[in-house]
Amino acid sequence: DTGVSQDPRHKITKRGQNVTFRCDPISEHNRLYWYRQTLGQGPEFLTYFQNEAQLEKSRLLSDRFSAERPKGSFSTLEIQRTEQGDSAMYLCASSLNPQGLLNEQFFGPGTRLTVL
Amino acid sequence: GIQVEQSPPDLILQEGANSTLRCNFSDSVNNLQWFHQNPWGQLINLFYIPSGTKQNGRLSATTVATERYSLLYISSSQTTDSGVYFCAVEGTSGTYKYIFGTGTRLKVLA
Repeated sequence: DTGVSQDPRHKITKRGQNVTFRCDPISEHNRLYWYRQTLGQGPEFLTYFQNEAQLEKSRLLSDRFSAERPKGSFSTLEIQRTEQGDSAMYLCASSLNPQGLLNEQFFGPGTRLTVL
Repeated sequence: GIQVEQSPPDLILQEGANSTLRCNFSDSVNNLQWFHQNPWGQLINLFYIPSGTKQNGRLSATTVATERYSLLYISSSQTTDSGVYFCAVEGTSGTYKYIFGTGTRLKVLA
């Protein structure tokens, strides 16, 4: 079990550019989550998938943000027309939820985005 | 929505000291986790503890769900314990997202 991986680990971009991040969950985990963390704060939920279905999106996820999990395995998070306020750590997590209320989430190392 | 408060916000300890971190939440929860965030930003799972008590080496945690709080105990602290400790809860509304507290920033001095 290799854990949750994210790519890239760091991204520096200019305002107005598009960026895409990738998350590979722990194999066989059916749920995948994206969170955003700004300096000095705890992570905030953005969206989650159960298999390939995107089941919930936060108000934080403006129309410039889009996430996909096309085959129920890896996921991508794209930010279009980046703004300086998008600078943050983007965290991905996964969990295995066969039934019931079990929901232990495991986090990847994050992608740190800096928008100049 | 559910509110999560952690205390203290900052804590400085001498190596070898013990500490207790507290997490209060404003509503019933289905799940609760404690994490340690290292200086590189990685969130490391410490405990998955919706209720009851668990121990792992020098760390232990207790969640009293009926009274809406959880405690994380660190005994014989080491410099490697430094970092930010987060409590995160999942409410009972049927969504599976975790709501995080603002964390306790711990610094252990040699």
